[in-house]
Amino acid sequence: AQSVTQLDSHVSVSEGTPVLLRCNYSSSYSPSLFWYVQHPNKGLQLLLKYTSAATLVKGINGFEAEFKKSETSFHLTKPSAHMSDAAEYFCVVSVLNQAGTALIFGKGTTLSVSS
Amino acid sequence: EPEVTQTPSHQVTQMGQEVILRCVPISNHLYFYWYRQILGQKVEFLVSFYNNEISEKSEIFDDQFSVERPDGSNFTLKIRSTKLEDSAMYFCASSERPYEQYFGPGTRLTVT
Repeated sequence: AQSVTQLDSHVSVSEGTPVLLRCNYSSSYSPSLFWYVQHPNKGLQLLLKYTSAATLVKGINGFEAEFKKSETSFHLTKPSAHMSDAAEYFCVVSVLNQAGTALIFGKGTTLSVSS
Repeated sequence: EPEVTQTPSHQVTQMGQEVILRCVPISNHLYFYWYRQILGQKVEFLVSFYNNEISEKSEIFDDQFSVERPDGSNFTLKIRSTKLEDSAMYFCASSERPYEQYFGPGTRLTVT
């Protein structure tokens, strides 16, 4: 069975400092991994995806994530936080190449950015 | 940029009533999904729909739930007889390929 664990429920950073949101996954198959972001009262926006190509994945708004199979991790990073990055972030796993694949969400990490 | 839309944004209903949540997926997408998020909990998969039939559903998606694609553009979720525990944010998603899903803004369902 597939699952994801987001290791921090809340991360606080100062504007201009690096962001690290941690995610570990469990999958019996070759996983597809995603990060989604949810701003207050908004829908879920796809930040980036890993689907067995390059292990370092670049997404929107300066975010990137590295797939590490040996560590079963897919941590999300950004070199310099911006106030607008404050939101809920979800690490998500899916099984590759199945019709109508369900996405399995982590519990989410709330990112706070202070000035 | 094309996006998934959902109506209404907020639905209040009484326990036992039927509700229909509506979604317009991105036009060239072939796979459609419903998820829900109970306040303070994880986003949970409900159902996926492809080629005019359900391709996968979770334990949550019992006989009280149904989905339909009544025309070429809409995708609906019906809850036959709502319960208090159905109160949640319901998200529709669509994808061109099976796994890269794009979500709508959600419908907040409140059952009183």
